[in-house]
Amino acid sequence: ETGVTQSPTHLIKTRGQQVTLRCSSQSGHNTVSWYQQALGQGPQFIFQYYREEENGRGNFPPRFSGLQFPNYSSELNVNALELDDSALYLCASSRGGQVNIQYFGAGTRLSVL
Amino acid sequence: AQTVTQSQPEMSVQEAETVTLSCTYDTSENNYYLFWYKQPPSRQMILVIRQEAYKQQNATENRFSVNFQKAAKSFSLKISDSQLGDTAMYFCAYTYNNNDMRFGAGTRLTVKP
Repeated sequence: ETGVTQSPTHLIKTRGQQVTLRCSSQSGHNTVSWYQQALGQGPQFIFQYYREEENGRGNFPPRFSGLQFPNYSSELNVNALELDDSALYLCASSRGGQVNIQYFGAGTRLSVL
Repeated sequence: AQTVTQSQPEMSVQEAETVTLSCTYDTSENNYYLFWYKQPPSRQMILVIRQEAYKQQNATENRFSVNFQKAAKSFSLKISDSQLGDTAMYFCAYTYNNNDMRFGAGTRLTVKP
């Protein structure tokens, strides 16, 4: 166990809806990175939050947004859900805005119908 | 563009034998990190081994070792004395800025009794 927890474990939404996924970082970590892992593929970097500010973003549209709270937990929000948003969403926590040592949660499986 | 390629979608090995998983990457950077992650059915990504590009010595962690060929942009993972618990998806990953991590598509490894 890494101490990184994600909720919920599974989620089913319909196209056009909005969703919020949550991640609690490991104690002592001030950085959270979010990844989307489509079925049969490797994770893709969505964005990173470091000390409550966005600190890097992958090739995802603005309807993917996030927040980081003073306790360094984080939320991933996706608006106007599309069928292709169906995936496993992983968060990882680390220190100092760096990912060379990061610990992953078990992910949230999102299904968009 | 920084890309990571894993050319073996699936591999299998007999328990106690040795297996090598392949990974190549494309980058114009001189300093970067390379990783191998394991993702069992529980979905949680677990770091297996990490290599810093400026270090010529290949990284080793118990039964896991890498063959890092910087000029060839190759980073293979060798698993010795394979165990049933090694059955999982294995992902090769790269980061040059210690922020945005790129993953390959993965290799599904099955260890047979």
